[in-house]
This record gives sequence, C-alpha cells and structure tokens, in this order.
Amino acid sequence: QITLKESGPTMVKPTQTLTLTCTFSGFSLTTTGVGVGWIRQPPGKTLEWLALIFWDNDEWYSPSLKSRLTITKDTSKNEVVLTMTNTDPLDTATYYCAHSTWAITSEYFFDHWGQGTLVTVSS
Amino acid sequence: DLVMTQSPRSLSVSPGEPASISCRSSQSLLSSNGYNYLDWYLQKPGQSPQLLIYLASNRASGVPDRFSGSGRGTDFTLKISRVEAEDVGVYYCMQALHMYTFGQGTQLEIK
Repeated sequence: QITLKESGPTMVKPTQTLTLTCTFSGFSLTTTGVGVGWIRQPPGKTLEWLALIFWDNDEWYSPSLKSRLTITKDTSKNEVVLTMTNTDPLDTATYYCAHSTWAITSEYFFDHWGQGTLVTVSS
Repeated sequence: DLVMTQSPRSLSVSPGEPASISCRSSQSLLSSNGYNYLDWYLQKPGQSPQLLIYLASNRASGVPDRFSGSGRGTDFTLKISRVEAEDVGVYYCMQALHMYTFGQGTQLEIK
C-alpha cells in the first residue's frame, strides 16, 4: 500500500525559505520508472505542479518557479524534500506530494497523493 | 504558455443522469508516440486529488467504468455515464506533454 505524507512549517514569513518533506512508504525511489512530485493549491484555486524527481536522479521543475525550487531525495529514509526560497504571500497554499509512475508509455501521472499540508506565508 | 481551459466551470446533475466535461489545450497534446498526454483528476470535498484517467482514455486502477475519457490533439472530454452521489467534487484535466499544467477545474454537484 502506497502512502505519502507531507510535513513542514504551517507558517513562514515573506522572503524566508520554505522546506517541506514528503515521507513515503509502499514503494522505493530506486525502482525504475518511479518519481515523486510536488503540487500545490492556493485556497479556492486550481492545482499547480512544482517539481518532480525520478528514480534516476532526473529533476523536473516548473519553468515559472525553477529559480526558487530545489527537489532532493533520500532513498535510505524514503523522503523527498522540496525547498522554496524567497517566499511570498502568493505562495500560501496546500502543498501535496504525490507518487508518479507511468503505464503503457512514458507519460508520468500522479496516482497516489498525500493528504497535503497548508502553508501560510505572512508577516 | 500552455493553457488548459475547462468547460463548463460548474454543472449540476441529477443522480443517474450523464455528465460531460470538456478540456481544451492551447497546444497539441499528441506525442510523437501517438498517445495524448492528458489526464483527469477528481478532488472530492476535503480530499486530495485522485487519478481517474491517464493518456486521455485509460481508466486508472479502481476507477468505475462509468467514467470514460476521449479526445485527441487539443480537445478532450470526460464523461460520466450515470452520475452517483459519490462523484461530487472538482474535476481537473492535466496535460503532461509539456511539463504539467492543470485546468481551472469543473465543480460537479448533485441536483
């Protein structure tokens, strides 16, 4: 059974760095074809993909946020960490991590999601 | 920038009636391998999103067969053959060919 859970601060001040951890079980990030991604959702708004890290250490980032994001993995701890620098109140959102894999062809979808963690950016 | 446009933004359907949601991409989602990189997700009230459909027309594991996806290129449709109360929530399309972009969402409610 695949499970993921996000953890991190509930509030950060503008310009601070936000660090979120995704702790997962039921799969390994050393398995070919597996990834873990981060997606966020501002209150009342749609979803926004942020980053994705793969079993082979490849990293994908949202072009609009790439300069502020870093995604890393610790396979021994079954953790994926997302770091976002220079936060702004517009970064207030529920942040989800999700298991990513593919079927039939190399389209990576998100088939298991964590419960999400709400982060507020405010002074 | 690639834009995903869903319509309608909301719909109200009686139980047992069909429902249809449209998703249009500003760029083609047809990959060189012949597949359309378009997925559908449902976010039930108070829950995380869940995968319904991948590659435009393939149901994810455990998804009831009343859900179906179709389309190619820039125009896609999610259909629910007979809406049930548990189908309430916000439906999102997501393109996966040019990184990832979600549509604005379509709120489904039961009459």
